[in-house]
Amino acid sequence: DAGVIQSPRHEVTEMGQEVTLRCKPISGHDYLFWYRQTMMRGLELLIYFNNNVPIDDSGMPEDRFSAKMPNASFSTLKIQPSEPRDSAVYFCASSASGDRYYEQYFGPGTRLTVT
Amino acid sequence: AQKVTQAQTEISVVEKEDVTLDCVYETRDTTYYLFWYKQPPSGELVFLIRRNSFDEQNEISGRYSWNFQKSTSSFNFTITASQVVDSAVYFCALIFSGGGADGLTFGKGTHLIIQP
Repeated sequence: DAGVIQSPRHEVTEMGQEVTLRCKPISGHDYLFWYRQTMMRGLELLIYFNNNVPIDDSGMPEDRFSAKMPNASFSTLKIQPSEPRDSAVYFCASSASGDRYYEQYFGPGTRLTVT
Repeated sequence: AQKVTQAQTEISVVEKEDVTLDCVYETRDTTYYLFWYKQPPSGELVFLIRRNSFDEQNEISGRYSWNFQKSTSSFNFTITASQVVDSAVYFCALIFSGGGADGLTFGKGTHLIIQP
């Protein structure tokens, strides 16, 4: 079975540019999570969705960040405009409802560098 | 508030040694889950184990074992007869299971180096 798919794997962009990160969750999973990993802050939750609906976006750092999930198999995380402090690895994870809900499976991550 | 502490920032051992990674957590919740994830040099996060707060049985999976002690709020991970392929950053994590979904609260991670 395919795991969580993220694209691109690496992104280098200049400050001020728009960046869009993409995620395809595991088929059948109805929860999707976006995390960010930095040296300073470690792994932190940005936002998560249940059945395509955003449930908690309190971890989104500021209005420059937005996330959408137009259908069960696709989500985007957008940063506009990007800043050097946004440089990090962004992970998408998904989980199923029910007893397996608490097992989150992560994608390979997108390493974002903003110069 | 929930918190996970992995006091060991980095551990270096020689191959075939046993090694224990410590994890201490704080939560006011009575129902919660604890996890260990592995992040190898390639960068992905690999799920290793999930434990719920009502199950204090130790678990063994091959060379891996986990010791959950609610009395000390610890969930330690031991690798027996370590191998170079075990070199990675290991994260302990916690999630509240009392209703409503929430994200994982991660520790800062322990960088494990297995020397040949």
